[in-house]
Amino acid sequence: GAGVSQSPSNKVTEKGKDVELRCDPISGHTALYWYRQSLGQGLEFLIYFQGNSAPDKSGLPSDRFSAERTGGSVSTLTIQRTQQEDSAVYLCASSRGQAYGYTFGSGTRLTVV
Amino acid sequence: QKEVEQDPGPLSVPEGAIVSLNCTYSNSAFQYFMWYRQYSRKGPELLMYTYSSGNKEDGRFTAQVDKSSKYISLFIRDSQPSDSATYLCAMSANDYKLSFGAGTTVTVRA
Repeated sequence: GAGVSQSPSNKVTEKGKDVELRCDPISGHTALYWYRQSLGQGLEFLIYFQGNSAPDKSGLPSDRFSAERTGGSVSTLTIQRTQQEDSAVYLCASSRGQAYGYTFGSGTRLTVV
Repeated sequence: QKEVEQDPGPLSVPEGAIVSLNCTYSNSAFQYFMWYRQYSRKGPELLMYTYSSGNKEDGRFTAQVDKSSKYISLFIRDSQPSDSATYLCAMSANDYKLSFGAGTTVTVRA
């Protein structure tokens, strides 16, 4: 597609439920990133995938968070047993590999009630 | 202390004014510096990219990096109402993982 596509755009879930957020990167982009943006905070790095290399998971805040990228394309970020502090906008970006080449999606706004 | 500090503003200027934005950072390993613009309910979009120190100009936008002071700036000349957005500085040591400032909200009044 022409841009990075994320779904759903909005998600309201009850505390304790699991959620899955999807990212469809730009075709041909080998690198895929997940960031989290909380109100009044900058973007917080979560995870980075590059080709077939092992992902950099150093930003995942707890073991309730996991992500996978299937076939080097679509990625899913899963949050288990959601907590209220997980409420944020989750942004996905893809690039050809360099930091300056990020293209961001519009994000998924997650609200945990 | 945050790795990247950015005054959240808000900043309000009249149309045609120069907008001045800046960030400071603590990690001396940063060598890739970027400015992003983010409109409400949209993802950030890259405005300017600079490698190492120096100035870069692109149309109405000028980015400056002073690594000795760990300070970066973005200037917007002849500001327009369409420039109203949140501006985020970002930087990287390894060319893939970005550290972002909190963002400065700018309003340009017609």
